[in-house]
Amino acid sequence: QKEVEQNSGPLSVPEGAIASLNCTYSDRGSQSFFWYRQYSGKSPELIMFIYSNGDKEDGRFTAQLNKASQYVSLLIRDSQPSDSATYLCASRRGAQKLVFGQGTRLTINP
Amino acid sequence: EPEVTQTPSHQVTQMGQEVILRCVPISNHLYFYWYRQILGQKVEFLVSFYNNEISEKSEIFDDQFSVERPDGSNFTLKIRSTKLEDSAMYFCASSRQGSQETQYFGPGTRLLVL
Repeated sequence: QKEVEQNSGPLSVPEGAIASLNCTYSDRGSQSFFWYRQYSGKSPELIMFIYSNGDKEDGRFTAQLNKASQYVSLLIRDSQPSDSATYLCASRRGAQKLVFGQGTRLTINP
Repeated sequence: EPEVTQTPSHQVTQMGQEVILRCVPISNHLYFYWYRQILGQKVEFLVSFYNNEISEKSEIFDDQFSVERPDGSNFTLKIRSTKLEDSAMYFCASSRQGSQETQYFGPGTRLLVL
């Protein structure tokens, strides 16, 4: 079974700190990786995607990919209360479906 | 900014009834998807659709489910005879191309089967 695993949390981080979210995947054929944010009762909203090993930065967000370790992470710098949500990691092989993890619930404490 | 839209936002139906969930993908997108999320669980893939045919489907997508693109803008998911376990949020998504392109999700339809 090709799966994506995430710690369901909750992860509690003080406002202004760095939040670190992690994800592992089992399908070595996965080529692209996505982080979505999902507020309660809402649809997934794309934050970032990453295809290549290393880091990719976009504003306060940095995605990290290590294909050898089959590990993806998302760092959120200067965390804000509005960042409180569930973060979904997803992998994709080629043009196929997204395979989602369970999601990590993040709470930013003012 | 273009968005995926879905109707209705909520639907309540009786077990055994047919439901049709509607989606309007982003206009220049070519790949269309349905996912569902049972309350408290992960987002699960149902089906992908490209060039007027199903390109991939999951084990969940059995004979009770069908998809259609009846015109140039709508993409529908039909559940022929709903079961209690079909109660979930159903998300439509679209992407411009398949690989190397992100999928954008609609707001979802919350389906409740009684």
